[in-house]
Amino acid sequence: GENVEQHPSTLSVQEGDSAVIKCTYSDSASNYFPWYKQELGKGPQLIIDIRSNVGEKKDQRIAVTLNKTAKHFSLHITETQPEDSAVYFCAASPNYQLIWGAGTKLIIKP
Amino acid sequence: DARVTQTPRDKVTEMGQEVTMRCQPILGHNTVFWYRQTMMQGLELLAYFRNRAPLDDSGMPKDRFSAEMPDATLATLKIQPSEPRDSAVYFCASGLGVIDRGEAFFGQGTRLTVV
Repeated sequence: GENVEQHPSTLSVQEGDSAVIKCTYSDSASNYFPWYKQELGKGPQLIIDIRSNVGEKKDQRIAVTLNKTAKHFSLHITETQPEDSAVYFCAASPNYQLIWGAGTKLIIKP
Repeated sequence: DARVTQTPRDKVTEMGQEVTMRCQPILGHNTVFWYRQTMMQGLELLAYFRNRAPLDDSGMPKDRFSAEMPDATLATLKIQPSEPRDSAVYFCASGLGVIDRGEAFFGQGTRLTVV
């Protein structure tokens, strides 16, 4: 079955700098790759997603890139702000369900 | 605004007691997921419903867990009897159709503590 690995587990960046979180997946049948942000005490919330027929997608300060050949995808956050502090999860979907990465705790230092 | 509602938000119970968690999916959504989140295991899928029919509950311990959708506006997750290892945050999520055609909207979760 599908397996998703996510790195790093914790990322600390200076406010205003960029943050990059990387995920790899194993099942070439996966065709949908969402990223979720989870704030303390809340459920995960979708922030951006990409489908396998697209290599890159951008939404303001957030971008996701997908390399199908290498089976990896990344989340890029530019000009980080304090409100970006949260746990970020990547996921891959080979069928009806999402296979989740372990999460990255992003800390924005003032 | 539309949101997934879960009750209760927090539940503390004694080992051996029955626990029922409820979820009201977003109106019009036809898929419902139950997840369990722990520090050690991360997000685990427990059950998946489409059009109220259970399509996958392979992630759920069958001897003590059960999930149902009595109607389109209510999904329930029951644990009987509860054990300390069931302590976790349980999330319900709803969506439209197949997951890759739309996002899964998560509720705020039920934090369960079994003592």
